[in-house]
Amino acid sequence: LAKTTQPVSMDSYEGQEVNITCSHNNIATNDYITWYQQFPSQGPRFIIQGYKTKVTNEVASLFIPADRKSSTLSLPRVSLSDTAVYYCLVGGSGSGNTPLVFGKGTRLSVIA
Amino acid sequence: DTGVSQDPRHKITKRGQNVTFRCDPISEHNRLYWYRQTLGQGPEFLTYFQNEAQLEKSRLLSNRFSAERPKGSFSTLEIQRTEQGDSAMYLCASSLAGTGEQFFGPGTRLTVL
Repeated sequence: LAKTTQPVSMDSYEGQEVNITCSHNNIATNDYITWYQQFPSQGPRFIIQGYKTKVTNEVASLFIPADRKSSTLSLPRVSLSDTAVYYCLVGGSGSGNTPLVFGKGTRLSVIA
Repeated sequence: DTGVSQDPRHKITKRGQNVTFRCDPISEHNRLYWYRQTLGQGPEFLTYFQNEAQLEKSRLLSNRFSAERPKGSFSTLEIQRTEQGDSAMYLCASSLAGTGEQFFGPGTRLTVL
């Protein structure tokens, strides 16, 4: 499974847009890119998944360049409740039916 | 609440004791996964089932660990002769075949003294 690299931590003020970039240079042709969010003492929660270009849902946007060697999770107008760890994962062929491989994630701290 | 549930939420045990955790997945989900998470790390895959069949086990899963899903619904994870290194959060997740999302439970936090 492709290895991912993302920043260890990020800080942001409330109301700002936050962009978290993930590198996955060895992504395979049939790999999807998925982001999960985890609050302390809770299990991870699916945020968004994409294969190429741009995906948007009610929570976030995911930007994937043509070479798919990186991706950027964009959180619009963050609030204090967005303080969490964000994990970038590749693999799974979009099915969600294979075991997920998590890295250490990016710890986002939102400041008032 | 129809999400994934886990029981107990917390377990403190002494080294050498056996412990068993239970996971109830979302009812229509046929895939069930177990992960382990230690402080500051992302979750690590342990094992997973499709219905009652155990499809894969991680090398992390020593022979002290066993998991079952006898009727293809709930699952149990047993750790025999616990060691201090087993202290972690044990997470269960479920998914429906063909979908792109795993749903995680709140986890069971194990502390081995």
